[in-house]
Amino acid sequence: KAGVTQTPRYLIKTRGQQVTLSCSPISGHRSVSWYQQTPGQGLQFLFEYFSETQRNKGNFPGRFSGRQFSNSRSEMNVSTLELGDSALYLCASSPAAGPGEQFFGPGTRLTVL
Amino acid sequence: AQSVTQLDSQVPVFEEAPVELRCNYSSSVSVYLFWYVQYPNQGLQLLLKYLSGSTLVKGINGFEAEFNKSQTSFHLRKPSVHISDTAEYFCAVSPNTGFQKLVFGTGTRLLVSP
Repeated sequence: KAGVTQTPRYLIKTRGQQVTLSCSPISGHRSVSWYQQTPGQGLQFLFEYFSETQRNKGNFPGRFSGRQFSNSRSEMNVSTLELGDSALYLCASSPAAGPGEQFFGPGTRLTVL
Repeated sequence: AQSVTQLDSQVPVFEEAPVELRCNYSSSVSVYLFWYVQYPNQGLQLLLKYLSGSTLVKGINGFEAEFNKSQTSFHLRKPSVHISDTAEYFCAVSPNTGFQKLVFGTGTRLLVSP
């Protein structure tokens, strides 16, 4: 089985722009979660989707949003980018509806100038 | 709410020596426990997990961890490390009620030298 794929792998944007990141989960997985990784804050949970519904959201401003499609693929969007949004954004998928093991993608490295 | 503490930000060790990476957690509900490894410019790879059952858990690459409920710890061990084990290691917990959400520690960088 193919693993979790994320596109693009690298992205450079300027302040004030918006960005959309994409995640394709492992085939058959219906839960997709997003995490932000920065040197200062570490790994932080952004949100989780299951069957196209956002079930859980972390403590991030409304500029961070996401969605999930019927084929379980997910996108996250960040509007009005700030310098502090520079981070590695990781997507993880899971076959289970409840808590358990998550499989991570390689991440998208976002740099905001 | 849950929290995870990894007291050691960096652990230097010589090749073929044993290593222990410490992890303590806090939670008002029962949790599942995980150790992930991250190599440079890569995502996270699961080393091992504790969901239930035996408190001694064996994972990939010769790693093992022991769940200690009374001490709320889940320390990671390997009897003999290799140069290739040099990486960042993250301990994580997930409440066993509700939805998918991992709470991570700050990570421990394992540096293996010859």
